[in-house]
Amino acid sequence: QQQVKQSPQSLIVQKGGISIINCAYENTAFDYFPWYQQFPGKGPALLIAIRPDVSEKKEGRFTISFNKSAKQFSLHIMDSQPGDSATYFCAALGGGGNKLTFGTGTQLKVEL
Amino acid sequence: EPEVTQTPSHQVTQMGQEVILRCVPISNHLYFYWYRQILGQKVEFLVSFYNNEISEKSEIFDDQFSVERPDGSNFTLKIRSTKLEDSAMYFCASSAQQGANTEAFFGQGTRLTVV
Repeated sequence: QQQVKQSPQSLIVQKGGISIINCAYENTAFDYFPWYQQFPGKGPALLIAIRPDVSEKKEGRFTISFNKSAKQFSLHIMDSQPGDSATYFCAALGGGGNKLTFGTGTQLKVEL
Repeated sequence: EPEVTQTPSHQVTQMGQEVILRCVPISNHLYFYWYRQILGQKVEFLVSFYNNEISEKSEIFDDQFSVERPDGSNFTLKIRSTKLEDSAMYFCASSAQQGANTEAFFGQGTRLTVV
């Protein structure tokens, strides 16, 4: 199965709070898990990515947590800011070929 | 910062007409892709292209679709006879390499509306 399931569909967080977005996959051949951020009218832009041989990767306020046995990974945005308001997509690559399989997206709104 | 450029930003076409969506990938990249995003849905892979040939395509990429790199800088997606369900945002992407740890850079997209 090539699907990547993402939740929640939308999320409202107060400024300074933690935003958490979850993804799950089925294909164990996936070997690269990027998160993309998309602002209205723009293309997806790579935010942070992880390989399955590590359980966590942190870059600034953004952290990916990866649970290989559960086939789940999540994005945590610490100290969320209004400028973080965007749509976030998890994705997976591997399992034969060079294509990215995207999750369904999470629309994040950070309120003042 | 290098970027992927797509034209036009919005294209409206009559059902049954041919459209060509254009992309200029990042200059030293070797791998090129088209994805599409129907309004409110996820981004879906259409096709990947390397060394002047298609390396992979999805079931969406049927005989109505074709890709070309006509002049070494542009990368085009042609839809021969558009259908209403082809209405979507089409994203071009490019990468320097393939596989894990390779960032795919996306263009800003072309919104195709078929009427």
